[in-house]
Amino acid sequence: DIVMTQSPDSLAVSLGERATINCKASQTVLYSSNNNNYLGWYQQKPGQPPKLIISWASTRESGVPDRFSGSGSGTDFTLTISSLQAEDVAVYYCQQYYRPPYTFGQGTKLEIK
Amino acid sequence: EVQLEQSGAEVKKPGESLKISCKASGYRFTSYWIGWVRQMPGKGLEWMAIINPGDSDTRYSPSFQGQVTISADKSVSTAYLHWSSLEASDTAMYFCARQSPIELRYWGQGTLVTVSA
Repeated sequence: DIVMTQSPDSLAVSLGERATINCKASQTVLYSSNNNNYLGWYQQKPGQPPKLIISWASTRESGVPDRFSGSGSGTDFTLTISSLQAEDVAVYYCQQYYRPPYTFGQGTKLEIK
Repeated sequence: EVQLEQSGAEVKKPGESLKISCKASGYRFTSYWIGWVRQMPGKGLEWMAIINPGDSDTRYSPSFQGQVTISADKSVSTAYLHWSSLEASDTAMYFCARQSPIELRYWGQGTLVTVSA
């Protein structure tokens, strides 16, 4: 299985400040034939199902504010929230969909400082 | 509009069987794989398995292989997750989600399964 490891486990950031979450895969999730990274980011708020916010490592989903961005390639990825808003408080997960089982990271809890 | 409507919360005893459902609407059911994800109380997301409703091809996580069975009924556009003998450790929220094409873009609301003597 591909193991996904996120850091940190929790993060407290002041409103308006930048939040950065890292995700490392135990092996590459870059498919060389199409140069796509098979990596997504999900946001889960309490009592709700997860919501896909970034696909293919850096493609923001429709309706997701542009303060959210994804970067990285191969095994190392980053989710950045450029200016934290109160509604961004949630747990964030990365997931690889390169090879089944399509494993998730353990999650990063983002709070307001 | 793509929708995944999951069956309601269940309370069961250890050793009992259970099948929960995920009814799809708003798209051609046989065109996209559907997956199941477990979330134990206060914990993270765990990918369990996926099924291709078109031909019932399945993929399981080794962690769940043999513990659960997934299936799909094209006639009613519904995917299922089945346990033959529940354990207390199966207590969790279970989400179904549709791949699109591989990432999980559409999610059900979740089904809470509680297993307690």
